[in-house]
Amino acid sequence: AQSVTQLDSQVPVFEEAPVELRCNYSSSVSVYLFWYVQYPNQGLQLLLKYLSGSTLVKGINGFEAEFNKSQTSFHLRKPSVHISDTAEYFCAVSDQSNNDMRFGAGTRLTVKP
Amino acid sequence: DAGVIQSPRHEVTEMGQEVTLRCKPISGHDYLFWYRQTMMRGLELLIYFNNNVPIDDSGMPEDRFSAKMPNASFSTLKIQPSEPRDSAVYFCASSAPAGGYTFGSGTRLTVV
Repeated sequence: AQSVTQLDSQVPVFEEAPVELRCNYSSSVSVYLFWYVQYPNQGLQLLLKYLSGSTLVKGINGFEAEFNKSQTSFHLRKPSVHISDTAEYFCAVSDQSNNDMRFGAGTRLTVKP
Repeated sequence: DAGVIQSPRHEVTEMGQEVTLRCKPISGHDYLFWYRQTMMRGLELLIYFNNNVPIDDSGMPEDRFSAKMPNASFSTLKIQPSEPRDSAVYFCASSAPAGGYTFGSGTRLTVV
């Protein structure tokens, strides 16, 4: 089965600084990759997804992620963060054949003024 | 579309009582998932359905937990009897194949 490792449990950054949230996955089959964001007391919201094609994927709120097959990574980036980006971010991997998605443990991004 | 709808948003119950959580998926989505989220264990997949049929229930913690999907527009997760360690936020999500999941707002369950 596939699995996901989010390498940082917490990432504190200052407002307007760039940020990278790291995600590595393992799977013996072809996968789809996702990033979700969870604001306090809310459900998870899809930020972006990689299904096929270009390895650089752009999502909502100015986030983007790059699929690197050789390094089995799917890191999330934003060039300049806002206070409102403070949230929990989850990387997820799905087996292409069965839609069974596995989530990482999450990374708490805290943007400080 | 109103998205995935879960009810109730909050539930407080006494230990030993039966609890039923409800979910209405997005119309046309043929996959439905139940997750539990806690600080200690993060997001755990409990069970998922494809075309109303349970596919994988290996994440259901005990026999006290059961889930049903009687039709394409409704699913329930039942805990009987409930225990304090069941306190968590329970999420329902639905998807079409390869579409990514759409999550509901969750049900915050507190068992006292």
